[in-house]
Amino acid sequence: DAGITQSPRHKVTETGTPVTLRCHQTENHRYMYWYRQDPGHGLRLIHYSYGVKDTDKGEVSDGYSVSRSKTEDFLLTLESATSSQTSVYFCATGGVQGSYEQYFGPGTRLTVT
Amino acid sequence: GDSVTQMEGPVTLSEEAFLTINCTYTATGYPSLFWYVQYPGEGLQLLLKATKADDKGSNKGFEATYRKETTSFHLEKGSVQVSDSAVYFCALSDQGNAGKSTFGDGTTLTVKP
Repeated sequence: DAGITQSPRHKVTETGTPVTLRCHQTENHRYMYWYRQDPGHGLRLIHYSYGVKDTDKGEVSDGYSVSRSKTEDFLLTLESATSSQTSVYFCATGGVQGSYEQYFGPGTRLTVT
Repeated sequence: GDSVTQMEGPVTLSEEAFLTINCTYTATGYPSLFWYVQYPGEGLQLLLKATKADDKGSNKGFEATYRKETTSFHLEKGSVQVSDSAVYFCALSDQGNAGKSTFGDGTTLTVKP
C-alpha cells in the first residue's frame, strides 16, 4: 500500500464551475498520474508528473490542468466542468527504482449536473 | 504506439472452475507486464508482474507467463473463489517514459457459488 489518498471522495457540481481534486502520497514516489475511468473506455491518462513542477499531458487532457508544487501532492483542476467530465478519477504513483508498477488511490466519483 | 488487448467480458464462472483471461500486447521496446485487480468501489491494485521474457508472475493462486514470441500475458487460476469476483486489467510499461503504463479495457469476472 503506497499511502495514497484522494479528496474529496465524492463530489457533485454544476456545469461551468471549476473543480479541484487532490491526490496526496506519503511514499515519496517520483511519478504521479491522473486517470479517469468510464464504462467502455477502461483507464485513460489525463496528465502525469515526473517531478515537482514537471508535468505533461496524457491522452485526454482537454479541459483539465494539473499542478505539483511538492512531491506529495498532485492537483487536478477541471477549469469549467462539463457533463462529459462525469467520471471516476484515480490518482496513481510510481517510479520506485527498478520497478514500473503503479499504486492507485481509492478514487473520486465526480458528477457534473 | 503501445497497446494492450484483453479478453472481453464479462466472464461468469462457478466456484472452483478454471480461469483464463487472455491478454496480448504491442510494444516497441521490452516492456514489463502486469495484471491489476479492481474490487468494487476501490482503486486498482497490483496482482502480479513479469519483467522479462519467460518470467512467470504469481500471487494468490493466479499466474501469468511473459511470452515474447506470442506477445501474450494470459492470466490463469486453477480454482476460482467467490472472493475473486472483480475487474482484471492487463497492462504494460516501457522502461523510461516517466513510468507510464498502457492498460487494457478490463475484464469483469463474476464467480458464483
